[in-house]
Amino acid sequence: KAGVTQTPRYLIKTRGQQVTLSCSPISGHRSVSWYQQTPGQGLQFLFEYFSETQRNKGNFPGRFSGRQFSNSRSEMNVSTLELGDSALYLCASSFEGAPGELFFGEGSRLTVL
Amino acid sequence: QKEVEQNSGPLSVPEGAIASLNCTYSDRVSQSFFWYRQYSGKSPELIMSIYSNGDKEDGRFTAQLNKASQYVSLLIRDSQPSDSATYLCAVTRGNTPLVFGKGTRLSVIA
Repeated sequence: KAGVTQTPRYLIKTRGQQVTLSCSPISGHRSVSWYQQTPGQGLQFLFEYFSETQRNKGNFPGRFSGRQFSNSRSEMNVSTLELGDSALYLCASSFEGAPGELFFGEGSRLTVL
Repeated sequence: QKEVEQNSGPLSVPEGAIASLNCTYSDRVSQSFFWYRQYSGKSPELIMSIYSNGDKEDGRFTAQLNKASQYVSLLIRDSQPSDSATYLCAVTRGNTPLVFGKGTRLSVIA
């Protein structure tokens, strides 16, 4: 069974640019969550999607957005990048009956220069 | 603000010893508790879940939950160098998002 797939794995952007990250969940998982991980703040929740609807949203500015498609694949977008957005962005999927049991992808490491 | 607190470590234990990792949480109505392991440069992976007071054992791992004290712990028996990683405690209730602690770095010395 394939795991959670995130693309791209690494990317470098400059301030003011925008970025789109992609996530394909485990087959059969309809819930997709996004987390930002930094050394100082740890894992911070961004948003969760279930059946194409945003079910939960973390405390991040509106520059951070996401969506989910009918095949459960998800994308997140960060506009007007800032230096502080440099982080590892992790996508996780879960089965509907086990919301806390997350399966993480390998992450997308974003560096903003 | 729901918080999950962990000692950042590093916690160093000799090979074969018991490693004890602790976590406290602020949201009194939390219902579900998880331990994730994250190796350096890798993503977190779920190793234990616990939902009711008491102990839950899985191989060398034991999770302990005390809801009255808002405290959850993870014991690793017969610690191995391969257990060296950061251990993340996570808490949730219902369909609310998992709240993670910042993790405890464990180092098992051969």
